[in-house]
Amino acid sequence: GAGVSQSPSNKVTEKGKDVELRCDPISGHTALYWYRQSLGQGLEFLIYFQGNSAPDKSGLPSDRFSAERTGGSVSTLTIQRTQQEDSAVYLCASSGGQVRRSTDTQYFGPGTRLTVL
Amino acid sequence: DQQVKQNSPSLSVQEGRISILNCDYTNSMFDYFLWYKKYPAEGPTFLISISSIKDKNEDGRFTVFLNKSAKHLSLHIVPSQPGDSAVYFCAAIYRDDKIIFGKGTRLHILP
Repeated sequence: GAGVSQSPSNKVTEKGKDVELRCDPISGHTALYWYRQSLGQGLEFLIYFQGNSAPDKSGLPSDRFSAERTGGSVSTLTIQRTQQEDSAVYLCASSGGQVRRSTDTQYFGPGTRLTVL
Repeated sequence: DQQVKQNSPSLSVQEGRISILNCDYTNSMFDYFLWYKKYPAEGPTFLISISSIKDKNEDGRFTVFLNKSAKHLSLHIVPSQPGDSAVYFCAAIYRDDKIIFGKGTRLHILP
């Protein structure tokens, strides 16, 4: 595809259920990021995949959150036993490499709006 | 502890005038800074960036200024246009390329 895609676009779930959010990055992009934006907050870093390196998981808020990236392409963010405070827009982004190079800007998907009732 | 701060949640500017969005940071290790623009229901899009070795970068109507001693950067939009109404995020790169974002400033361009 032409850009980063995410699915589903909206997800409503009940407290305690598990959810999986999917990200399809731009083909060939080696770096993939997950962020979340809660109401009135900025973009909170969650996890960063770069090539074959071990992911930087330092932003994951609790052990209920996990993410994987299969085959260096598609990524899934899983939230187990969802809580109401998990409600947010979850954004995925990809880039061709280190974003400090002007040719490797970071491209964001449209996000998944998660609502935990 | 917020490392990238955008202290103005919103800003209103008349069409044709200059919009100035401000951003402060606390971590002197940041060596690259970016601005992103976000429309409702869309992901952020990259706007302009600046390396810490520079103090100014210009791209059309957009100019970013960096004052390292003050740990401050600003985005200038001249002249402001209706399509500039959006949320603007300031971001900084930590040495391991983990990007840290501010909370954003909502810019309203008034007719």
